[in-house]
Amino acid sequence: GAGVSQTPSNKVTEKGKYVELRCDPISGHTALYWYRQSLGQGPEFLIYFQGTGAADDSGLPNDRFFAVRPEGSVSTLKIQRTERGDSAVYLCASSRNSRGRTRTGELFFGEGSRLTVL
Amino acid sequence: KQEVTQIPAALSVPEGENLVLNCSFTDSAIYNLQWFRQDPGKGLTSLLLIQSSQREQTSGRLNASLDKSSGRSTLYIAASQPGDSATYLCAVTGANNLFFGTGTRLTVIP
Repeated sequence: GAGVSQTPSNKVTEKGKYVELRCDPISGHTALYWYRQSLGQGPEFLIYFQGTGAADDSGLPNDRFFAVRPEGSVSTLKIQRTERGDSAVYLCASSRNSRGRTRTGELFFGEGSRLTVL
Repeated sequence: KQEVTQIPAALSVPEGENLVLNCSFTDSAIYNLQWFRQDPGKGLTSLLLIQSSQREQTSGRLNASLDKSSGRSTLYIAASQPGDSATYLCAVTGANNLFFGTGTRLTVIP
C-alpha cells in the first residue's frame, strides 16, 4: 500500500493475555519505529529497527515487550502477560534510510493500534 | 535525555487569524526537527521537516523555523481555518530516535 499499515486497529484483551500488533511499513523504507501514546501525551519511543536488526530497543519498558522484523519489512510487536497499564495506542512509523547511515529521513506514521487491557 | 516542551498546551483562535505554536528542546545536538499534525483517534501526519542545517521550511500556509543553538522552533499558521483544528506535535531527532513534545491542541472557531 501507499502508507504505513497497522493491524488490528483496535484490540481489547484481558489482563494476563498475549497480544501481537502488526506493522507493514512503506515499501522500500529500511527504518521502522514503534511508539506508544497514552491519552494526552506525546508518543513515547519503544524500539527502532534498521533492516532486520533492532538498532535501539532502549524504550521497551520491560521484558514483557518484544518486537521482531525477520525479513526487514513487516514488524510485529509482542506483549506478554498484558497489564492494564499497557493500554495505549501503539504507533508504527517508517522512513527511508540508507543502511548504516545517520537517520535523517522524514517519518511516516500509521493510524495506530489501540490496545485496551481489561 | 532530550526533553521537548510545547507551549501553549491548548489554543483557541477565530477563523482567519495567524498564529504561532512554540517548541523548545534541551539538547541542541539534533539531526532534524519535524512538525506533525494529529487528529483525534488518528495517527500522525508529517507537516514539515527541517534539517539541522536549515533555518526554516514552508508548505502552503505553514512555515516552520528552527534555531538550533537556542533550542527553539516555531510553527506559523497563516489565515487559520476550522479544518486546521487538531493537535500539533513537534519532534526532534537524536541518533536513533525521535523525542516528542506533548503537543498543542488547536481549535479554530468558525
